[in-house]
Amino acid sequence: EAQVTQNPRYLITVTGKKLTVTCSQNMNHEYMSWYRQDPGLGLRQIYYSMNVEVTDKGDVPEGYKVSRKEKRNFPLILESPSPNQTSLYFCASSTTEAYTEAFFGQGTRLTVV
Amino acid sequence: GQNIDQPTEMTATEGAIVQINCTYQTSGFNGLFWYQQHAGEAPTFLSYNVLDGLEEKGRFSSFLSRSKGYSYLLLKELQMKDSASYLCAVRDRLRSNSGYALNFGKGTSLLVTP
Repeated sequence: EAQVTQNPRYLITVTGKKLTVTCSQNMNHEYMSWYRQDPGLGLRQIYYSMNVEVTDKGDVPEGYKVSRKEKRNFPLILESPSPNQTSLYFCASSTTEAYTEAFFGQGTRLTVV
Repeated sequence: GQNIDQPTEMTATEGAIVQINCTYQTSGFNGLFWYQQHAGEAPTFLSYNVLDGLEEKGRFSSFLSRSKGYSYLLLKELQMKDSASYLCAVRDRLRSNSGYALNFGKGTSLLVTP
């Protein structure tokens, strides 16, 4: 089954404790991205990757890191989480062909206390 | 980012038709997409428009006018399960690195009542 898998689904952590949210897709998609979703603000792009070893900042990259060492994986790293990073996070993937839709992971609800 | 505007909330009756509008501004238009999102779940793809006009897909249709920066999603024969948030997204080609960004509006929360 074609899918995007995120882990964990839920995470409560403390300020400053490094964490990684994993994302994996099995559709051989070149393009992967991370979004955060907050009430009243909608989905905002954090980082994206056009292919292996190619990453770039989205609209809200501060406080986040990513890496793309393999085509299927695109982890999101929070080196020193802060309470303002409490949010619902989605990973998405798609081909780089024009006019193709993105597929989303199930979401990770992160709470930083 | 870019400006993508859609109404915050709408209410409609089961069996009726509802139209959700979306206006946008973009410098490198590369497609307009509609997604459905139930509370706490991932967005799921509904439709996309590349050229001007109406695209029909069962009970859902989407219209695009690129010159006006305008799209709408039309939902017919509304069912209770259609209560969800509907997200308008514009794919924008980036000149800086030949990549693209998929930017979302804040979503329209649709409530279908009996």
